[in-house]
Amino acid sequence: QVQLQESGPGLVRPSETLSLTCTVSGGSISNYYWSWIRQPPGKGLEWIGYVYYSGSTSYNPSLRSRVSISVDTSKNQFSLELSSVTAADTAVYYCARYYCTSTSCSALDYWGQGTLVTASS
Amino acid sequence: QSALTQPASVSGSPGQSITISCTGTSSDVGAYNYVSWYQQHPGKAPKLMIYAVSNRPSGVSTRFSGSKSGNTASLTISGLQAEDEADYYCMTYTSSNTWVFGGGTNLTVL
Repeated sequence: QVQLQESGPGLVRPSETLSLTCTVSGGSISNYYWSWIRQPPGKGLEWIGYVYYSGSTSYNPSLRSRVSISVDTSKNQFSLELSSVTAADTAVYYCARYYCTSTSCSALDYWGQGTLVTASS
Repeated sequence: QSALTQPASVSGSPGQSITISCTGTSSDVGAYNYVSWYQQHPGKAPKLMIYAVSNRPSGVSTRFSGSKSGNTASLTISGLQAEDEADYYCMTYTSSNTWVFGGGTNLTVL
């Protein structure tokens, strides 16, 4: 059974960089797409971006100038960096895996439990 | 990119059926059969309920079904049960090679 676990600081100061890692266990990170999603307190889900195991990425246009997602296949991990954070970046951050067939990807089938990151001084 | 449009809330009595809509554009919902639906209980991670418009993952109740017409996708829950009370989100792929969620719908079982 594939499991995902987010890790990283729960508190980030405004203007600094938020850094989170997602560790995948019970399966290989290879040959899959992986995603970060966030949810501000009391609000809806927001797609942040994805990374393929090869390193190719795509990002939400509203965050593109501040976000970077990378993958480390040797550690079975992928990571999120979000720079110049403000209070508006306070959210529960989830990592997830895309469900893919041989021809396409259509959903997020495995999710981490989520980690709350607060941007505050 | 704009979030897909979902009703903020829906409600129904046990045993009834409800439908949640998810409206996008010809560049996302209308362009691809990649709509998925997620159930989220308070304090929990989202759970995949429907993928590729109308497919159920193993273990998801047959009471959950999905469909799409034009730029609008729908999730129908039949035989409502108390445990179905949760937030529901749709998600789809876009022509910009990005993904977008709906704003979410809170389902109340009366």
